[in-house]
Amino acid sequence: GDSVTQMEGPVTLSEEAFLTINCTYTATGYPSLFWYVQYPGEGLQLLLKATKADDKGSNKGFEATYRKETTSFHLEKGSVQVSDSAVYFCALTGLYGGSQGNLIFGKGTKLSVKP
Amino acid sequence: GAVVSQHPSWVICKSGTSVKIECRSLDFQATTMFWYRQFPKQSLMLMATSNEGSKATYEQGVEKDKFLINHASLTLSTLTVTSAHPEDSSFYICSANRGGWYEQYFGPGTRLTVT
Repeated sequence: GDSVTQMEGPVTLSEEAFLTINCTYTATGYPSLFWYVQYPGEGLQLLLKATKADDKGSNKGFEATYRKETTSFHLEKGSVQVSDSAVYFCALTGLYGGSQGNLIFGKGTKLSVKP
Repeated sequence: GAVVSQHPSWVICKSGTSVKIECRSLDFQATTMFWYRQFPKQSLMLMATSNEGSKATYEQGVEKDKFLINHASLTLSTLTVTSAHPEDSSFYICSANRGGWYEQYFGPGTRLTVT
């Protein structure tokens, strides 16, 4: 079945460092890909999305490009801030996997940014 | 906009009792609501999908008689954990779909501890 694999955390960076969180997927059909962020004590929020190959999703300085050839959707940010400390989830939903657009999540990567 | 609340945020109950968790979409009508379960350091696992006015669709391996879902209105879905046992202790998260098939908005989650 469909699945998402993302890098194990936790990831600890200094402020202004470059961030990459790897995410690869396995899916039948043509999935849409997402990054969600969960700040401490809050619900998951959609960070960015891409619905077809070569699309780039971007938001709040974060970017991810849908790479069909490598089945990847890596999250990047050029300069992280302390306020970016959170858990990041890669997810997919597909036309053939799941019902009514339910999401399939990776395990999450905890990011801690030190000042 | 697109706020989803859950109540309670945490609950402790004794083994054998039942617990009800509410999920509300506060500022929109949700055609579909989803219930997820999250174990520590694990991904979110979809438990069931519910549509207003119809029976919930449960994922394979989820006991529908144990996890009762009622989607009473377009703004309210409830999850009742019946005859709870310590292994049911987990973090339960709901999400609501506003219309676009990938637009899911998440509640902050409910921590259930069964003693």
